[in-house]
Parts: sequence; C-alpha cells; structure tokens
Amino acid sequence: DVKVTQSSRYLVKRTGEKVFLECVQDMDHENMFWYRQDPGLGLRLIYFSYDVKMKEKGDIPEGYSVSREKKERFSLILESASTNQTSMYLCASSFRWAAYKSTDTQYFGPGTRLTVL
Amino acid sequence: AQRVTQPEKLLSVFKGAPVELKCNYSYSGSPELFWYVQYSRQRLQLLLRHISRESIKGFTADLNKGETSFHLKKPFAQEEDSAMYYCALRSYNTDKLIFGTGTRLQVFP
Repeated sequence: DVKVTQSSRYLVKRTGEKVFLECVQDMDHENMFWYRQDPGLGLRLIYFSYDVKMKEKGDIPEGYSVSREKKERFSLILESASTNQTSMYLCASSFRWAAYKSTDTQYFGPGTRLTVL
Repeated sequence: AQRVTQPEKLLSVFKGAPVELKCNYSYSGSPELFWYVQYSRQRLQLLLRHISRESIKGFTADLNKGETSFHLKKPFAQEEDSAMYYCALRSYNTDKLIFGTGTRLQVFP
C-alpha cells in the first residue's frame, strides 16, 4: 500500500515566520509534487521534483521554495509566511513516466492545513 | 493553453437520481483524462482514468474529443457518493497533472 505522509495535519504560524512542510513517501517514487488546494481554485501546482536535487517550478511558485535531498522526502519552504499563504497543502508522488507503467496515478498525502496569522 | 474547466461548483441531487459532473478541457493533442475524488476527511484519490475505460463505484466517463469533454456519470446516486470531484488532464510526455476547480457533489437521502 502506497503511503504518503505529511509532517503535520494542522499548522498555525505568524506572518514573517519561516515554515517547513515535510512530505515522505515509501514507494520509491521518482516524482514528488506540492500543491495548494483552495476552494473555488482547485489544486494548483507549486513545485515538482522528478529526482533527487531536481526541481521544477509549477504554476504558483512565488513565495515558496523546495528541497529534495533524499528520494523519499520533499520539503516545501515558505521563507517568510504571509496571510495569503493560508491554505491546504497537498503532497503527492508518482513513478516517473507513470503513463508507461501500470501504476498510472499520483498518490496524495492527507494534507497540511496551514493558517498564517 | 492547457486548461480543465469544471463549470459547477456544487451539484445537489437526491439519492437514486442520475448524476453528471461536467468536465471540459483545452489541449491541442491527445490528452489523458482522469477523475479524482476526495471524500470528507480523506485524502485525494484516483477514481478513474479514460484510458482504462473502466467503471468504478458505478461511475463512468467517456472521452469525447469532438466536444473536448470528459463528463463523469452515474445512473443512480448514493449518499456515499457525496464528495469533492476533480477532473485532471495530463499532456503527452509529462508526469504533471492539470486540475479543474472541482465540483462538490451532495447526495441527499
């Protein structure tokens, strides 16, 4: 059973704080993703990593950075949290070139609800 | 530009009624389309993909390239179908997904 875990279910931070969101997967997936989920806006990709130390900007990377030092772990960093970053953050993982493999999907973590005061 | 449109934010039906969640896409090529579902307090999970032509939990979806649509249908809704549904597109030669804004389905008893 694929397991994607996120370090916190709920997080409350103050404006200007540095925030780390951690994601770990145990399926040896090459790809890992960070999304934010907002009502009426759906899921928007923040960053994507297809290998260790590799990263690619998604649709809304501003105000965020990521780190992938190990294959199983993908961190999302808010350098200086702002109130407009209050959201649900979802991590996901998949095999590389998933379309060519039988396990053709992204697997999601439970999400971290971040509130920035 | 690649885009997925789900025109309905909320769809409310009574148990036993037919359900159709709309999804339209914009993509110049051969897309892969998916439906993901998120039940209350659960993680987002794959419901079905067009390439498999499968029926999951009574739901089906047919890719209509002429109308650029991938609507999700179920003939008789159940209360346990109440959830948030997202349509997603994957373009050729990439592992990234583009999601729609989602439709919340409420099934009343």
